[in-house]
Amino acid sequence: DAKTTQPPSMDCAEGRAANLPCNHSTISGNEYVYWYRQIHSQGPQYIIHGLKNNETNEMASLIITEDRKSSTLILPHATLRDTAVYYCIVRVNRGSTLGRLYFGRGTQLTVWP
Amino acid sequence: GAGVSQTPSNKVTEKGKYVELRCDPISGHTALYWYRQSLGQGPEFLIYFQGTGAADDSGLPNDRFFAVRPEGSVSTLKIQRTERGDSAVYLCASSLGPTGGTEAFFGQGTRLTVV
Repeated sequence: DAKTTQPPSMDCAEGRAANLPCNHSTISGNEYVYWYRQIHSQGPQYIIHGLKNNETNEMASLIITEDRKSSTLILPHATLRDTAVYYCIVRVNRGSTLGRLYFGRGTQLTVWP
Repeated sequence: GAGVSQTPSNKVTEKGKYVELRCDPISGHTALYWYRQSLGQGPEFLIYFQGTGAADDSGLPNDRFFAVRPEGSVSTLKIQRTERGDSAVYLCASSLGPTGGTEAFFGQGTRLTVV
């Protein structure tokens, strides 16, 4: 069940901010927005998550619109090592469906020198 | 180690054979997940354990697939009568569980090739 829509690919110059959009217009009130990324041949890596407030950690910032129908992941200073597929996922934080992350196809971010 | 460990990293098997894939989660993580990823696709959910029990096994494609977690730590994914279509990377993840952090930490995966 595709609950999110992401562009298939994006480019970014090294050192610039990478802004990755995600639409989740059918998100429910108890669903969080999670972002993961997957560097080639590795397992997915957790980046950040949020419910309705903007969040920031050492990796990225997450901006969620007031109506919660879309969000943007921001990598403030992209490096070549940030080249990866980025997945935006909505999920509940409780209950038996906790484990069911729907990854979709994500956005392939390519950072160029 | 500090992360999720999966063994073997690569497995080649003949069609019709039985395989077992092992996952060692992060110590203290009560939640464990199995996913599989085909080439060019995102990971697809298979099963979620909370402790020793399967809280959600709705992603298992058919009855050839089975997973166990007898002591609430290590988990084994078992595939009977393997088919070429089972070829994929099988990913395991763990998290603290519903009362703790819900971020799932993934292993490097086991690449299964059925010939």
